[in-house]
Amino acid sequence: AQKITQTQPGMFVQEKEAVTLDCTYDTSDPSYGLFWYKQPSSGEMIFLIYQGSYDQQNATEGRYSLNFQKARKSANLVISASQLGDSAMYFCAMREGFSGGYNKLIFGAGTRLAVHP
Amino acid sequence: NAGVTQTPKFRILKIGQSMTLQCTQDMNHNYMYWYRQDPGMGLKLIYYSVGAGITDKGEVPNGYNVSRSTTEDFPLRLELAAPSQTSVYFCASSWGAGVMNTEAFFGQGTRLTVV
Repeated sequence: AQKITQTQPGMFVQEKEAVTLDCTYDTSDPSYGLFWYKQPSSGEMIFLIYQGSYDQQNATEGRYSLNFQKARKSANLVISASQLGDSAMYFCAMREGFSGGYNKLIFGAGTRLAVHP
Repeated sequence: NAGVTQTPKFRILKIGQSMTLQCTQDMNHNYMYWYRQDPGMGLKLIYYSVGAGITDKGEVPNGYNVSRSTTEDFPLRLELAAPSQTSVYFCASSWGAGVMNTEAFFGQGTRLTVV
């Protein structure tokens, strides 16, 4: 069954330091996509980065990178040079391919990140 | 660009009342989703649709109904509202059917309180 697990309810990081947010997933489908979203206190959902199961390289988008370890079924988000504006909830999400029928998008429980000056 | 539009933004319902949360998107996306987010928690999938006339249950469908008569609209119906349905509801849309590397776009959310 499709499942996303984020085991860190909360994380703290000093401004300008790097932080890793953990995400593990479970799927029997060889084709899937992994997404990270940011939700600031204002409530909107902001897409950050995507990793496909067949992508050979780890995804990067500016200060965001995804540490994709397929054999371990993990897709950790790395935020480099943290900024105060990075304080938010972060969600990992997964969409399976076609072997399970329609490819619904499911989310993990989230990690709340606090960046300290 | 409007993107995904949800109405209303806030609503207070009494126990047993019914209401429809509206969602419309102007990106011609085939996939649409409804999620609920309880305070401090993640998003739980209620229902989703892969195209007009096709819907399927998500993780927490009980107490809700959906329909998809057009590509643009995906309303969520709450029948006999209960306090357990107090939550923030998000509608989202995306490409699907072979397009994996496309993110879902979200509406601003509807904050619903059942008293």
